[in-house]
Amino acid sequence: GNSVTQMEGPVTLSEEAFLTINCTYTATGYPSLFWYVQYPGEGLQLLLKATKADDKGSNKGFEATYRKETTSFHLEKGSVQVSDSAVYFCALSDYGAGSYQLTFGKGTKLSVIP
Amino acid sequence: DAGITQSPRYKITETGRQVTLMCHQTWSHSYMFWYRQDLGHGLRLIYYSAAADITDKGEVPDGYVVSRSKTENFPLTLESATRSQTSVYFCASSESAPSEGETQYFGPGTRLLVL
Repeated sequence: GNSVTQMEGPVTLSEEAFLTINCTYTATGYPSLFWYVQYPGEGLQLLLKATKADDKGSNKGFEATYRKETTSFHLEKGSVQVSDSAVYFCALSDYGAGSYQLTFGKGTKLSVIP
Repeated sequence: DAGITQSPRYKITETGRQVTLMCHQTWSHSYMFWYRQDLGHGLRLIYYSAAADITDKGEVPDGYVVSRSKTENFPLTLESATRSQTSVYFCASSESAPSEGETQYFGPGTRLLVL
């Protein structure tokens, strides 16, 4: 079946540090890949996505590239801010396998300190 | 205001009681979903609906019932609550089927405690 593995947290960084959150996946079909972000007390919201191999998703300074050869979708940001403190979820949808669900990783909590 | 709303936001109940969590969206999205979020598990799909009167099970459906008589509403009922159903519940919707990277939009969540 499908699965998503992302790096364990929590991650604590100083403001302006470089961020990488690793995400790898297994899928039976042709997945689309997502990063969702959950700010404290809120629901999840889409951060970025990529629908095919070698696509790069980007938003708010965050980037992730769909690497089929390594089955990865690592999230990066060059300079984090305190406002980026949140929980980040990597997810995939694999409609080609007949599944209508998003498969989520367990989430990585990021704390950015001034 | 447009969007997806959930009610109540917080609920405390006792084992064995019936509880209904409400979800309402104003976009007329065809697809709606219920997830539960538990520490160490991420989000897991409970049920989803492709349209009014069409529902199907997700990964963890046991102990839950859903209905979709109107496109905009998708209530989730715990028929006889158990402590293992203590969780944060998220409703989501999407405009069409999850192909080609269709985005799902999430509500703010309902935090449920079963004593």
